[in-house]
Amino acid sequence: DAGITQSPRHKVTETGTPVTLRCHQTENHRYMYWYRQDPGHGLRLIHYSYGVKDTDKGEVSDGYSVSRSKTEDFLLTLESATSSQTSVYFCAISENVGANVLTFGAGSRLTVL
Amino acid sequence: EDQVTQSPEALRLQEGESSSLNCSYTVSGLRGLFWYRQDPGKGPEFLFTLYSAGEEKEKERLKATLTKKESFLHITAPKPEDSATYLCAVVYGQNFVFGPGTRLSVLP
Repeated sequence: DAGITQSPRHKVTETGTPVTLRCHQTENHRYMYWYRQDPGHGLRLIHYSYGVKDTDKGEVSDGYSVSRSKTEDFLLTLESATSSQTSVYFCAISENVGANVLTFGAGSRLTVL
Repeated sequence: EDQVTQSPEALRLQEGESSSLNCSYTVSGLRGLFWYRQDPGKGPEFLFTLYSAGEEKEKERLKATLTKKESFLHITAPKPEDSATYLCAVVYGQNFVFGPGTRLSVLP
């Protein structure tokens, strides 16, 4: 997937436990994004990063936090997972902001019981 | 509210049966419209970007067109390997807004 690796690819956890998803890129792109995809909804932006230690919220950021300590890594953390956070999570990267092609990872399927 | 809708939700075609998918949007200040293909268990894969009304892009059996309020993805003589979910997304400002997708099945 064009130099983007997401881990883990599948995870089952229990309500109230913390979860961290990792996105690793080898493209040296400045912008990184976390989306969630649910049936009947389009991809929805959770958080994005425009540089090391520079992040901002998307439309569905409640219950999620992110960190980017290196250009290549973007972490998504659910501090206390809830069943409503059961979803497929996609990381994406782009060279520039706005009307620039997003390249997506293969996704991480998270199930919160 | 800025919104992107896609129709139909699902489409079943026989191999060789041409058809079109629709993406309608209400965002103002459009900076680009994107089409992606998504196979089961995978991330979306970029197909086309369109920037202005009247613009067309082609790739193999796919052709994307853009008007002021909608885009069409025309599929000519589809093959089973064209089966996938097709997503459109519009860009306004710095944000992407994705539609829910059209699930296309092409039967042999």
